[in-house]
Amino acid sequence: DTAVSQTPKYLVTQMGNDKSIKCEQNLGHDTMYWYKQDSKKFLKIMFSYNNKELIINETVPNRFSPKSPDKAHLNLHINSLELGDSAVYFCASRGTKYNEQFFGPGTRLTVL
Amino acid sequence: AQRVTQPEKLLSVFKGAPVELKCNYSYSGSPELFWYVQYSRQRLQLLLRHISRESIKGFTADLNKGETSFHLKKPFAQEEDSAMYYCALSNAGGTSYGKLTFGQGTILTVHP
Repeated sequence: DTAVSQTPKYLVTQMGNDKSIKCEQNLGHDTMYWYKQDSKKFLKIMFSYNNKELIINETVPNRFSPKSPDKAHLNLHINSLELGDSAVYFCASRGTKYNEQFFGPGTRLTVL
Repeated sequence: AQRVTQPEKLLSVFKGAPVELKCNYSYSGSPELFWYVQYSRQRLQLLLRHISRESIKGFTADLNKGETSFHLKKPFAQEEDSAMYYCALSNAGGTSYGKLTFGQGTILTVHP
């Protein structure tokens, strides 16, 4: 009965490769997000989708392309991976009662 | 623009001592503020939201609009409180669809 799930949990890959991270929420929320947590533990929003529509794109390189096939899923595809993309990527979805966000377990991406 | 500042990157206390994690914000509208906690290598979990004025795990936080602060307090720290704490601000509506802006985080270590 996990609320927000992500796969994979760990991802190790070479520079230049293309990879995807998947996120699913079973909370019935309309809005989902991707956040990046860098090596200094700083968290920054990347994207947000509301009911399958992109609503926030925070000056992320266009190598990153989110896709929302339905409102329960928000995937993140990354082309031509670079060393600086190494981070933990968190997916989240937003409740409607108090505007709080529920986070997935994170995907630790390591680019070699 | 919305901004959250947590001035202390690291905070160490002994078990049973009071603890206060500072958070200041800047935001032109009416903010919604949250404290999230991240235990070692786990997902972010909501600890407190200002709107509900609750106490969770002995922690409280009061929104002070005059000082633009939302400090997190606990009168008697426990070893299991050791974690990373993030203060976050949300724009509930408008064009930002509730995106969270996080502070830099404070690592709390409670010594036995």
